[in-house]
Amino acid sequence: GENVEQHPSTLSVQEGDSAVIKCTYSDSASNYFPWYKQELGKRPQLIIDIRSNVGEKKDQRIAVTLNKTAKHFSLHITETQPEDSAVYFCAASQRQAGTALIFGKGTTLSVSS
Amino acid sequence: GAVVSQHPSWVICKSGTSVKIECRSLDFQATTMFWYRQFPKQSLMLMATSNEGSKATYEQGVEKDKFLINHASLTLSTLTVTSAHPEDSSFYICSAIGGTEAFFGQGTRLTVV
Repeated sequence: GENVEQHPSTLSVQEGDSAVIKCTYSDSASNYFPWYKQELGKRPQLIIDIRSNVGEKKDQRIAVTLNKTAKHFSLHITETQPEDSAVYFCAASQRQAGTALIFGKGTTLSVSS
Repeated sequence: GAVVSQHPSWVICKSGTSVKIECRSLDFQATTMFWYRQFPKQSLMLMATSNEGSKATYEQGVEKDKFLINHASLTLSTLTVTSAHPEDSSFYICSAIGGTEAFFGQGTRLTVV
């Protein structure tokens, strides 16, 4: 089955800096890679996703890149703000097959002002 | 976007009792729902895939007799934790795919005393 590795586990940045979180996946059949932000005790919230037919996607301060050959994808947050502080999870799945999302272990991002 | 509602949000029960958690897709039909468990400061671990009208598929290491899943309709899946023990205390969260996106319930904080 799919296995998703995520690094780093914790990340501390100064407000205004960029933050990068990286994930690798094992199943070459996976074709859908979302990123979630989770605040303590709450449900994960989708912040951006990318499908395997695209190499990069951007939404304001957030961008995701995908390298299918190397089986890795990354989340980039620019101009970080204190409210970006949360736990971020990457995930992978085979969307057409309706399979479950398999999550990375998460990255705790702390943005200090 | 689509809404997934999960109840209860939190529950405290005594050791040895059973607890039922409901997951409803409010504005779409979900033939498949997923149940995850999340321990403090850890990732979401897939427990089982709930299939409408058929048996659930459990992940390795998850006891099917302890975590009973019923998916009796296209909008409702239930997870029953039977004979609960303190080690079952966790955050349980369900997910359903609406369109192309996975939506999560609010989660249930289970505490077994």
